[in-house]
Amino acid sequence: DAGVIQSPRHEVTEMGQEVTLRCKPISGHNSLFWYRQTMMRGLELLIYFNNNVPIDDSGMPEDRFSAKMPNASFSTLKIQPSEPRDSAVYFCASSYWDSNQPQHFGDGTRLSIL
Amino acid sequence: KQEVTQIPAALSVPEGENLVLNCSFTDSAIYNLQWFRQDPGKGLTSLLLIQSSQREQTSGRLNASLDKSSGRSTLYIAASQPGDSATYLCAVSSTGTASKLTFGTGTRLQVTL
Repeated sequence: DAGVIQSPRHEVTEMGQEVTLRCKPISGHNSLFWYRQTMMRGLELLIYFNNNVPIDDSGMPEDRFSAKMPNASFSTLKIQPSEPRDSAVYFCASSYWDSNQPQHFGDGTRLSIL
Repeated sequence: KQEVTQIPAALSVPEGENLVLNCSFTDSAIYNLQWFRQDPGKGLTSLLLIQSSQREQTSGRLNASLDKSSGRSTLYIAASQPGDSATYLCAVSSTGTASKLTFGTGTRLQVTL
């Protein structure tokens, strides 16, 4: 069974550039989560979707961040324009829409903004 | 606002020892509590999920307990092995926002030969 797949694994880009992170959830899962992990703030939930609909985006730090889920098998997190403080590891996770089911995480995208 | 604290931040033990990791949370109105493992450069792997109505869950050498009223959980690892070396994170989901997890900062465990 394929797990959650994220791409790219690493991204290095210059400040001001647009960054797009991609996620393919586990087939059959209908909830998808985007997290950000930094040394200073730990693991933070940015946004999550249920059945492709955004449910809670209160963790999205600024308008520069946006997320979409056009279908059940694909989601993107976009940062435009990017800033050095956006440097972090971004994780995508998926689960069934039952809060007593564990979330399954991808291996993350390590983003460095120069 | 829910806050989750994990103590200790780091722990080193010799192989074979039993150990306990601690997690505390400020708001006892939780839906469930989960323990995850994170290996360097990897995502999180779910170890155990305890529903708010449960007191403990067991999987192999792992046992997690939950005392909701006091806002505490422990993860007990029996007969530790070098392969258990990783960062362990606990996370709680609060009633009303059941899918929204608040994570602790983790305990980095090293099991030495």
